Amino acid sequence: DIQMTQSPSSLSASVGDRVTITCQASQDIDNYLSWYQQKPGSAPKLLIYDASNLETGVASRFSGSGSGTDFTFTISSLQPEDTARYYCQQYDEFPPTFGPGTKVDIK
Amino acid sequence: EVQLLESGGGLVQPGGSLRLSCAASGIIFSNYAMNWVRQAPGKGLEWVSAISGSGGSTNYADSVRGRFTISRDNSKNTLYLQMNSLRAEDTAVYYCAKAKRSRFLEWLFFDSWGQGTLVIVSS
Repeated sequence: DIQMTQSPSSLSASVGDRVTITCQASQDIDNYLSWYQQKPGSAPKLLIYDASNLETGVASRFSGSGSGTDFTFTISSLQPEDTARYYCQQYDEFPPTFGPGTKVDIK
Repeated sequence: EVQLLESGGGLVQPGGSLRLSCAASGIIFSNYAMNWVRQAPGKGLEWVSAISGSGGSTNYADSVRGRFTISRDNSKNTLYLQMNSLRAEDTAVYYCAKAKRSRFLEWLFFDSWGQGTLVIVSS
């Protein structure tokens, strides 16, 4: 199975800050990577797919980049409602696998 | 608007069985591969199983292969997960999730999720 790692595991930032999360795959996954936001008690929500495509209806402060094994997820200006856990997921090979998540909260 | 509504979770003893259902609305159900993804308490997300739009192809995580069976009834817009020989480590919230891109088992990422149903395996 392809292993996904994320860093940091958690972060605390101020409203308006730029926040960056990295995701690394154990092998080349081209651009077959998605990012999800999960708030406590809720289902995950798709934010980004194909590494950099913003899902319809998702705020433009969210963005993604990368290909191969190294990927980045960015919140350009952190908002209070962005407090959540963020997961990356590869879908290049079966089984689809998720990273362990990054918890983001407001300082 | 896509809606996915899971049901069937509950408390079951180790070795027992449970069948989960996921009723879909707002989509042409047969056009999309469907999946089950689970989340153990306080843990991350784990893909469990997928089924193609026609129901002709399925795939499973190694952790559940041989114990769980995914199926769908496109006439009822409903996805199922039959879970047998349940173990404590199967305790989780089970989400049904719609594949965004395809009716086939390829490039599986998920643009719609249900609210989840909790399965607790305990004596």
